[in-house]
Amino acid sequence: AQSVAQPEDQVNVAEGNPLTVKCTYSVSGNPYLFWYVQYPNRGLQFLLKYITGDNLVKGSYGFEAEFNKSQTSFHLKKPSALVSDSALYFCAVRDSYTGRRALTFGSGTRLQVQP
Amino acid sequence: DVKVTQSSRYLVKRTGEKVFLECVQDMDHENMFWYRQDPGLGLRLIYFSYDVKMKEKGDIPEGYSVSREKKERFSLILESASTNQTSMYLCASSLSGGSSYEQYFGPGTRLTVT
Repeated sequence: AQSVAQPEDQVNVAEGNPLTVKCTYSVSGNPYLFWYVQYPNRGLQFLLKYITGDNLVKGSYGFEAEFNKSQTSFHLKKPSALVSDSALYFCAVRDSYTGRRALTFGSGTRLQVQP
Repeated sequence: DVKVTQSSRYLVKRTGEKVFLECVQDMDHENMFWYRQDPGLGLRLIYFSYDVKMKEKGDIPEGYSVSREKKERFSLILESASTNQTSMYLCASSLSGGSSYEQYFGPGTRLTVT
């Protein structure tokens, strides 16, 4: 079975500082990994994905994520946080082995960027 | 750009009512999904469909059914709404095959059952 853990319910960071939102996963085969962002009363917006290739993936709005197979992690990062980055972030995984078409989502991490 | 629309942003229904939530996508995606989102639980898959008239149960299908009569439209049905079905419902769609596995989401329907 595929699963995702986001160990932090909330991350607080000052504007201009680097931010990290953590994600670990468990799959049987190779993982396909995703990050989504949700602003208040909105649906989820796709940020970036890792399917294969380079471990460092760059996405929308200056975000990037690093795939680490040995640590089964896919942490989301940004070098300099903006107040407008404050939102709810979800990590998701799809297992290449099971063929399950749906993604499995983590519980979400609320990012609060203080001015 | 992919567009996924949902019929209502907010809905209030009474216990026992039959509820229909509609979702339409305009990008000819084969796969469509219904999730519910609850605080602290993330998104949980209710049902998904990989083709017209084809459906599979997700992780929490109890109390729900779905219908996909046309490729672009996927409906979620609450046969007899209960208060524990008060939640945010999110529809999504995606392509089959290739490397475009990401799902595209609608804006969500916040359902309150009283």
